[in-house]
Formats: sequence, structure tokens, C-alpha cells
Amino acid sequence: DSGVTQTPKHLITATGQRVTLRCSPRSGDLSVYWYQQSLDQGLQFLIQYYNGEERAKGNILERFSAQQFPDLHSELNLSSLELGDSALYFCASSGSGGGGPQHFGDGTRLSIL
Amino acid sequence: EDQVTQSPEALRLQEGESSSLNCSYTVSGLRGLFWYRQDPGKGPEFLFTLYSAGEEKEKERLKATLTKKESFLHITAPKPEDSATYLCAVQATGGSQGNLIFGKGTKLSVKP
Repeated sequence: DSGVTQTPKHLITATGQRVTLRCSPRSGDLSVYWYQQSLDQGLQFLIQYYNGEERAKGNILERFSAQQFPDLHSELNLSSLELGDSALYFCASSGSGGGGPQHFGDGTRLSIL
Repeated sequence: EDQVTQSPEALRLQEGESSSLNCSYTVSGLRGLFWYRQDPGKGPEFLFTLYSAGEEKEKERLKATLTKKESFLHITAPKPEDSATYLCAVQATGGSQGNLIFGKGTKLSVKP
């Protein structure tokens, strides 16, 4: 058990809809990272938050947004969903804002019908 | 552009048959190289961090090594429970971000 909790485990929705994925980091970790994993692309970095502030952006679409709350949990919001957004979405946390290992949750599987 | 390439894509071994997985990387400056294990339906599980060329880390049947261009994950006398996808990732220096750049993984199957 990594200590990182993601909910829900599965989401099934339709094109054009909006969903929110939730992540609780390991106790004491200040950084939260979001990654997308698809069969052909592997794990792709989306966005990082450190202690409530956005720290870095990767290949995140404009239709996607995230935030980190004062209690350090994070939410990833996906809107105007398209078939191609179907993927596994992982959250990871680390103690620092830069180096060191990241610990991953078990992900949210998003299926767009 | 920072890049990570893993080979082979898939590897089938008999129980007890030792082998190595390769991770080659291109990065402007290396802050750290990470190995993860991922089981189906689960998130990546952290195995090792390597920071500088010549460094080695061991855990049970696994040993990770690092050179200036690549890393190897050696599996000695594997067991069926070692079957998983092994992911390599790098973290670059520069800036304040800590995001990982992942390879596509090596899927290892160990047959009894």
C-alpha cells in the first residue's frame, strides 16, 4: 500500500461530459502529480502541485484542470470529454517539490462511451 | 528532448533463468533515475532510485545499475511472482519541477 488514495476506481461516462477525479497524498507529502496512462503512450505527466501552488505543467489539455486544497488533497477536472480521453489517470505524491521518488495510487480508469 | 527508451518490450523467462532489462535515456541533466514495478490494475510501485553513474541498488532478486547513458535492471533466478511490467523513469535537473519522464516499460513473464 503506497498510502496514496484515488477515487473513484472506475468512471464510465459519455462524450461531452465533465468528471472530477480525487487524490489524497501520503501523509506529510506536499507534492501531488497527475499522470495519464494509455496503451500506446505510456505514462505521461500532466501537472504538479506543491503545497497548494501549481509547480509544473506537462501535456495537459486546456479542457483539463486541477487544484490542490489546503488539506493537500487534489482534484483533476476533465471536461468536454472525448473518446480519446479514455485512459488510466494516476496520482502520485512526494515529500519534496523536486527530487526524490514519487509514490503512486492505484489510479482511476476512465471510460468514455 | 528528454527521452527514455526501454528494451525489450516483452521478455519471457523460465523460473530461475536470470536476465537483464535495459533503460537508455537522453536528458539534459540527470537528477535521478527510478525503477518501478506495475502489476495489472495497479499503480506503479517504487523499487529503486539511482543518482549517479556507477551507483548500484539491490532488493531481493533485483539489482539496478546506472551508467551515463543507461540503466540495467538485473533479475537473478526469477520466480513467477516477479512477473509484472517494469518501468524506468528519469527526473531532469533544472527548474523546480519534479515530474518523471517514463519509458513504455518491459513486460516480464516468468513461467514455472
